[in-house]
Amino acid sequence: ETGVTQTPRHLVMGMTNKKSLKCEQHLGHNAMYWYKQSAKKPLELMFVYNFKEQTENNSVPSRFSPECPNSSHLFLHLHTLQPEDSALYLCASSQPGLADREYQETQYFGPGTRLLVL
Amino acid sequence: QKEVEQNSGPLSVPEGAIASLNCTYSDRVSQSFFWYRQYSGKSPELIMSIYSNGDKEDGRFTAQLNKASQYVSLLIRDSQPSDSATYLCAVKSNFGNEKLTFGTGTRLTIIP
Repeated sequence: ETGVTQTPRHLVMGMTNKKSLKCEQHLGHNAMYWYKQSAKKPLELMFVYNFKEQTENNSVPSRFSPECPNSSHLFLHLHTLQPEDSALYLCASSQPGLADREYQETQYFGPGTRLLVL
Repeated sequence: QKEVEQNSGPLSVPEGAIASLNCTYSDRVSQSFFWYRQYSGKSPELIMSIYSNGDKEDGRFTAQLNKASQYVSLLIRDSQPSDSATYLCAVKSNFGNEKLTFGTGTRLTIIP
């Protein structure tokens, strides 16, 4: 196991629903990420949190709202999504600032949430 | 314009042969380079990282980096059916900036 868990693993929602994705990392890391993976497209970085502070918002529509209450937990709140938002949403974590460059730059991914918007 | 480019494949290689996966990137100030493996329905896992020009070997895997040509590759020796997966190339521009840019991935199939 990667030490990064995500729930739910699968989610089907209508365009008017509100739902939340949850990510929890058990690795003691301080940086957490949300990625979107669609078929035949590169992994797209959505948000980065470093020590609970958002450091990157990659031009993500406001219907996606992240929340990072502490360094171990990351949420992605979803509302009024579109069918094109259907994708695999991956959470990752890393530990920046360590002397070991390889370890500090390695991102560990969770299993993902497969989202279908109808 | 794509920042990280990979041949999407599928790339078919006989079992026991060498699989060669290639990646080019557009940002000349890129400093860190990663290869992730993703099995179907699973999340990406790190295979190799490389930071300096030349080769880096880890078991059956060798990463090669040429910053002048903006090119990074992954060689898999003695390919096994369990190596069948999608391989993602990822590039990071600045040391301390946590943003990784991924390619679309190359789907590799090892034929028994």
